[in-house]
Amino acid sequence: QKEVEQDPGPLSVPEGAIVSLNCTYSNSAFQYFMWYRQYSRKGPELLMYTYSSGNKEDGRFTAQVDKSSKYISLFIRDSQPSDSATYLCVLRGANAGKSTFGDGTTLTVKP
Amino acid sequence: DTAVSQTPKYLVTQMGNDKSIKCEQNLGHDTMYWYKQDSKKFLKIMFSYNNKELIINETVPNRFSPKSPDKAHLNLHINSLELGDSAVYFCASSQLAGGLYNEQFFGPGTRLTVL
Repeated sequence: QKEVEQDPGPLSVPEGAIVSLNCTYSNSAFQYFMWYRQYSRKGPELLMYTYSSGNKEDGRFTAQVDKSSKYISLFIRDSQPSDSATYLCVLRGANAGKSTFGDGTTLTVKP
Repeated sequence: DTAVSQTPKYLVTQMGNDKSIKCEQNLGHDTMYWYKQDSKKFLKIMFSYNNKELIINETVPNRFSPKSPDKAHLNLHINSLELGDSAVYFCASSQLAGGLYNEQFFGPGTRLTVL
C-alpha cells in the first residue's frame, strides 16, 4: 500500500466551478502537508502548506487537513483556466528528510 | 536570476549511450534532489544530497550515479541508457536545516528521449 494515495483524475471542470482535490495517507507520522502545482512543461512549485488540522485559506485556495481521518484536500473556488495544471499533495514527517509526493491530479478548467 | 538551472533542457540519444545532466542552484540551499517524472506524470524521487552527502537513495538501477562536487551542484550520470529511461528529470533544492516544510524549488526539467 502506498503511503499517500491521491485521487487520480484527470479532472475537467467548467470555469467558475469549485474544485476538490484529495489525498489520503496511512502514516500518522506525517506532520506537514503541502500542495504543489505543476504547469505543463514546468517544474512543480509550492502552492500552499499547513501543519495543523483545519482549514487554511489563501485567496481562492483552501487547504484542509483532517489528521484523525488522515485526509487532506485542496479546494479551488471560482476556478479559472489559469488553474489548469497538475496538483500534487506532499507530506512530510517531523524529522524525516524525505517528502512523500502523491501521484498528482491533472485539472483542466474549460472557459 | 534562475534559482535552479538544469542543462541540457532536451536530450535525445541512442540506447546504450552514456549521458550526464547537470544541475546548479544559487539559493544557498543545503540539499539537492533528482526526480524522475514518467509519461503518466508520476514524480518519483531518485536521490538526495545534503551538504554533499547522499541521504536518499531510492531503488534506482546502478546505471544512475549522482555526483555532488559542492553544495550548489548535483549532476546525474546515466550509463548504458535504456528505452525505459525516457522521462523528464527534475532537479530540486531545499534548505533542510531548520525548514519545517522543506519547500523544494524545482528546475525546469530535462526531457530525455532514448531511441
